[in-house]
Amino acid sequence: AQSVAQPEDQVNVAEGNPLTVKCTYSVSGNPYLFWYVQYPNRGLQFLLKYITGDNLVKGSYGFEAEFNKSQTSFHLKKPSALVSDSALYFCAVRDFSGGYQKVTFGTGTKLQVIP
Amino acid sequence: KAGVTQTPRYLIKTRGQQVTLSCSPISGHRSVSWYQQTPGQGLQFLFEYFSETQRNKGNFPGRFSGRQFSNSRSEMNVSTLELGDSALYLCASSLAGTGTSNYGYTFGSGTRLTVV
Repeated sequence: AQSVAQPEDQVNVAEGNPLTVKCTYSVSGNPYLFWYVQYPNRGLQFLLKYITGDNLVKGSYGFEAEFNKSQTSFHLKKPSALVSDSALYFCAVRDFSGGYQKVTFGTGTKLQVIP
Repeated sequence: KAGVTQTPRYLIKTRGQQVTLSCSPISGHRSVSWYQQTPGQGLQFLFEYFSETQRNKGNFPGRFSGRQFSNSRSEMNVSTLELGDSALYLCASSLAGTGTSNYGYTFGSGTRLTVV
């Protein structure tokens, strides 16, 4: 069965510093990987995805993620954090069991950017 | 282009009642999925519909049910509400049919259900 792990419940980073939000996955076959962000009292917003191709994927708001097949990781990164980046971040993996897609989300990581 | 619309935004119900939540996907999207979000459990998958058929179902009791109409709008129903059903219920739509689409989900803002 596919699974996603976000080992950190919360990540604190100073404004202007680089940030990393970790994600590891387990899936049979080739993974489709996603990152979403959720602001308070809102639904999730799509940030970026990895399907195939370059291991470094660039997404919205200056975020990027690095796919590492050997480590089965898909960590979210940003070179310089903004206070407005403070939110809840979810990693997700999509699999195609039985011909139908199934998406599994991680438990989420709260990012706190300190001014 | 209108986004995913969920109604109502907020709902307060008492234990034992039932509730119906509505989700209108983005025009042209045929897949609708429902998630329950709580502080303790995170995002839990409820079920997914495509072309009026339920394709996947999560590990929720039979009190949780759903359906999808021919216009792709979806409803979720919870009967005999329990206090533990208090949560943010999120609906997500996508183009994905058999999984050939590379698009991710587009989420609605959710319905905040409080059971008292």
